[in-house]
Amino acid sequence: SAVISQKPSRDICQRGTSLTIQCQVDSQVTMMFWYRQQPGQSLTLIATANQGSEATYESGFVIDKFPISRPNLTFSTLTVSNMSPEDSSIYLCSVANRGNTEAFFGQGTRLTVV
Amino acid sequence: DQQVKQNSPSLSVQEGRISILNCDYTNSMFDYFLWYKKYPAEGPTFLISISSIKDKNEDGRFTVFLNKSAKHLSLHIVPSQPGDSAVYFCAASNQGAQKLVFGQGTRLTINP
Repeated sequence: SAVISQKPSRDICQRGTSLTIQCQVDSQVTMMFWYRQQPGQSLTLIATANQGSEATYESGFVIDKFPISRPNLTFSTLTVSNMSPEDSSIYLCSVANRGNTEAFFGQGTRLTVV
Repeated sequence: DQQVKQNSPSLSVQEGRISILNCDYTNSMFDYFLWYKKYPAEGPTFLISISSIKDKNEDGRFTVFLNKSAKHLSLHIVPSQPGDSAVYFCAASNQGAQKLVFGQGTRLTINP
């Protein structure tokens, strides 16, 4: 299994500002995934963070709003830019195991935008 | 368009009885399915998975059934225990455990 640490665990931010969320994995992985869970909703994939190349974004998510860095095989950041109250969500990073049979999640970052 | 649906937002079951959580999907390209359990303020925890080449997978108290023709899967928990009270999500993919599409979740409450 993989151990995933996310920082911060929660934050309250002013609208118009940006927040960078960090994700650290205890093993090297090729791909890391960022998900969002809006209040009362399911988890939705935002993007895939690839080491050594640009992140790939899902429909409805753009790089200008959610820039992602992936400087090495154990670390990634997701920035939520120019925040509005609609960005209030739990943001989670995830990795799959070597056999690609299980996905592990960090504890999440609970973001509230006021 | 919700590709994975969990139509029951909540379920209440007596301790010791069977809990059955249901999930439907619409995308016939999905070939791998997973169930997760989530407590408040924690990330989802993997429970069990099933590939489309199987129709049943069992792990201890947890069994997942897949009906491909009906595009339906279910998670059976027996016997149910108070610690099973949580939100359960089903997820689907055509890339193994990557790029998961989740249902809305079912809140399971086990009553003593």
